Amino acid sequence: EDQVTQSPEALRLQEGESSSLNCSYTVSGLRGLFWYRQDPGKGPEFLFTLYSAGEEKEKERLKATLTKKESFLHITAPKPEDSATYLCAVQPRGGGSNYKLTFGKGTLLTVNP
Amino acid sequence: EAQVTQNPRYLITVTGKKLTVTCSQNMNHEYMSWYRQDPGLGLRQIYYSMNVEVTDKGDVPEGYKVSRKEKRNFPLILESPSPNQTSLYFCASSLSRSAGVPGANVLTFGAGSRLTVL
Repeated sequence: EDQVTQSPEALRLQEGESSSLNCSYTVSGLRGLFWYRQDPGKGPEFLFTLYSAGEEKEKERLKATLTKKESFLHITAPKPEDSATYLCAVQPRGGGSNYKLTFGKGTLLTVNP
Repeated sequence: EAQVTQNPRYLITVTGKKLTVTCSQNMNHEYMSWYRQDPGLGLRQIYYSMNVEVTDKGDVPEGYKVSRKEKRNFPLILESPSPNQTSLYFCASSLSRSAGVPGANVLTFGAGSRLTVL
């Protein structure tokens, strides 16, 4: 069974204080690992897809990396508007016709001014 | 604007009163799916559809029904709602399941429907 574990559950940072969120996964062959951002009262919003170990992607203050067992979302010099819940999800290779993503429970990031 | 639209956004109902949550996408996506989100449990898939008239169960299908008669619409039906179906529901869609086309397998989510069953 595919599993995704995110840590920490919650993280509080001061503006400008860089940090990383972790996503550990077990999956029977990885087709893709996804990062989403979810603001309160809204649906998840796509950030990145990573397909293979060693791959990295960047967007503004965010950088996602992938190894064979985990992914990191690095946040450099965060701003209060980066406050949100960050979700990690994996899609296994194969899996029949289902495009199912298995989600972690998320990391609630709060950035104080 | 490309989007997934869910209605209603908020609903309070009573046990046993049938209800339907509608979902519509304007991106000509083949794949659509319903998730529920509960505190401490994360997002869990209820049902999914690969295309018109093709639907199948996800991880937590009990108490729900779906249909896909048109490509753009994927309603979620609760025939006899119970309090344990109180949750935040999300509809999502993607172009296809193919990872070969960049972006084709990225899910776009609706804004969510918060359902309370008394």
